[in-house]
Amino acid sequence: SQTIHQWPATLVQPVGSPLSLECTVEGTSNPNLYWYRQAAGRGLQLLFYSVGIGQISSEVPQNLSASRPQDRQFILSSKKLLLSDSGFYLCAWSVLGPGTQYFGPGTRLLVL
Amino acid sequence: KQEVTQIPAALSVPEGENLVLNCSFTDSAIYNLQWFRQDPGKGLTSLLLIQSSQREQTSGRLNASLDKSSGRSTLYIAASQPGDSATYLCAVCPGGTSYGKLTFGQGTILTVHP
Repeated sequence: SQTIHQWPATLVQPVGSPLSLECTVEGTSNPNLYWYRQAAGRGLQLLFYSVGIGQISSEVPQNLSASRPQDRQFILSSKKLLLSDSGFYLCAWSVLGPGTQYFGPGTRLLVL
Repeated sequence: KQEVTQIPAALSVPEGENLVLNCSFTDSAIYNLQWFRQDPGKGLTSLLLIQSSQREQTSGRLNASLDKSSGRSTLYIAASQPGDSATYLCAVCPGGTSYGKLTFGQGTILTVHP
């Protein structure tokens, strides 16, 4: 069966510090991968998606970047965090095509 | 730009009631629509996926319908239980090459009290 992992579960970071959130998927090959952010009162917003290694599409201009160094690994990064980067970050995967998306447990980020 | 709206924003019902959650979307050129459940502080759990060519999907006590031409979907929950308490989110997936890029509604917070 397929599983999706995210870490860390919770993170408190000062403004201006770097960020690295990791997502890995097991039990499937060549998945579509997605990063979402859920901010209070703003709903779920798609940040990045990837259809393959090294292929990243950005949906929203922002202070964040994403990378996919391996088939089942998706990383969300920032060089300098802003207060507005606080939120709940969710990684998801789907098989190629518009199928069901399966979400990870999420990382809660608080920038102070 | 696709916009997804969910009504009501919050709903509180006694155990055993049947209930309906509503989702509307502005662009009918969708590939599918998905309903998710989110428990507090957790990730999303997929409940049902309806293809644009389908009218409804059922899973246990859940039934989701889709009227693509009018831009509406409903999630029907039969015989509600306290364990159904959660936030319910609908999301639409566009057709064409943008598939997989979901647009979510703001969600309906459901509370089922014993």
